[in-house]
Amino acid sequence: GQSLEQPSEVTAVEGAIVQINCTYQTSGFYGLSWYQQHDGGAPTFLSYNALDGLEETGRFSSFLSRSDSYGYLLLQELQMKDSASYFCALRGGGKLIFGQGTELSVKP
Amino acid sequence: GAVVSQHPSWVICKSGTSVKIECRSLDFQATTMFWYRQFPKQSLMLMATSNEGSKATYEQGVEKDKFLINHASLTLSTLTVTSAHPEDSSFYICSARVTDYHLQETQYFGPGTRLLVL
Repeated sequence: GQSLEQPSEVTAVEGAIVQINCTYQTSGFYGLSWYQQHDGGAPTFLSYNALDGLEETGRFSSFLSRSDSYGYLLLQELQMKDSASYFCALRGGGKLIFGQGTELSVKP
Repeated sequence: GAVVSQHPSWVICKSGTSVKIECRSLDFQATTMFWYRQFPKQSLMLMATSNEGSKATYEQGVEKDKFLINHASLTLSTLTVTSAHPEDSSFYICSARVTDYHLQETQYFGPGTRLLVL
């Protein structure tokens, strides 16, 4: 089967940098995605890594190490609007399997 | 990005009734859509994969006779919760899979439907 583990909550201050880690177990790996979900809203796609290394998209970056079954999402120059839940998700068999989510609280 | 809509956005119904939720891809065709359920403060749990023109594939533990899925066109999938009970109250979210010319797949999510069964 597949499983993912990420911290349940993280707190940071406005303007800071925060890293949300995700470790996973899977028999077949096709990629790791990251989604953001504001309270009561739909998940929105942030980033995707299929190969090792860093992918950068504006203030958000995502890293993957397939040998360590590990990835992280890096958020820079935090803003209040970044307060949300962040999910890592494994791609495989045409499906997405989501982690439990990390609730990020950005304080002034 | 691609836009996916859901209707209704929220619904309240009595126990024992059936509720239909629609998921539409607005500016693209989607041969594959997915249905998820999310309880408060929890993750998205995949319920089933909906394929246009064929039967849906349900995840383990999801009752196919209770959650009826129909994907009759390339832009519409429906989820019907039959004989709904209070424990079916949840946030139901659909997504549509898009494959780009690099063969990279991305799922675009609808805004969700909040179901409350009394």
